[in-house]
Amino acid sequence: DAGVIQSPRHEVTEMGQEVTLRCKPISGHNSLFWYRQTMMRGLELLIYFNNNVPIDDSGMPEDRFSAKMPNASFSTLKIQPSEPRDSAVYFCASGLEDWTRDRLVAEAFFGQGTRLTVV
Amino acid sequence: KQEVTQIPAALSVPEGENLVLNCSFTDSAIYNLQWFRQDPGKGLTSLLLIQSSQREQTSGRLNASLDKSSGRSTLYIAASQPGDSATYLCAAYFSGTYKYIFGTGTRLKVLA
Repeated sequence: DAGVIQSPRHEVTEMGQEVTLRCKPISGHNSLFWYRQTMMRGLELLIYFNNNVPIDDSGMPEDRFSAKMPNASFSTLKIQPSEPRDSAVYFCASGLEDWTRDRLVAEAFFGQGTRLTVV
Repeated sequence: KQEVTQIPAALSVPEGENLVLNCSFTDSAIYNLQWFRQDPGKGLTSLLLIQSSQREQTSGRLNASLDKSSGRSTLYIAASQPGDSATYLCAAYFSGTYKYIFGTGTRLKVLA
């Protein structure tokens, strides 16, 4: 497997424009996470999907952010309208939640990230 | 609130030294703890995963331990090399919330 694939790798956009980030998780994984990384705040979890269903979106900063997972092999994170403070590296991660003997085993695998710059 | 803390924030050591990176978490009800490595401008690479029922995991020169009762994990790197220079992050997968919470990382520099 090629691992978690994110696109684009870099995105530069003007304030007010819509930005769409894409993620292809590892085949067979049932969990997907979107994280944002900045120098000031480190890695922050934005949203978590399990079996394509959003389970926890409490980390989504504002209504300008939305995420979808229409099927098991694709997810998007959209920012509309974008603002300079959204500039960060956005990571997608996938994992396989395996309830083995009532003990959850879940190892997360990360994509290479999308570096977003909003000017 | 579930939080993960890593100390030190940065570490610089001469090549060949054995070193320990620390990770602490506020809630002992975790399923897993995972250690990652991040090189500048790159994604996160998984190093070791410790399940809650385990005490430690080893991979080559790396050994990670987990003490749930004290809310601590350590990553031990033996015979450090310049190629080990990177940021090391730990993440706790908390029960109930089913999500990984990351520490802020330890930036390691191994001097040749």
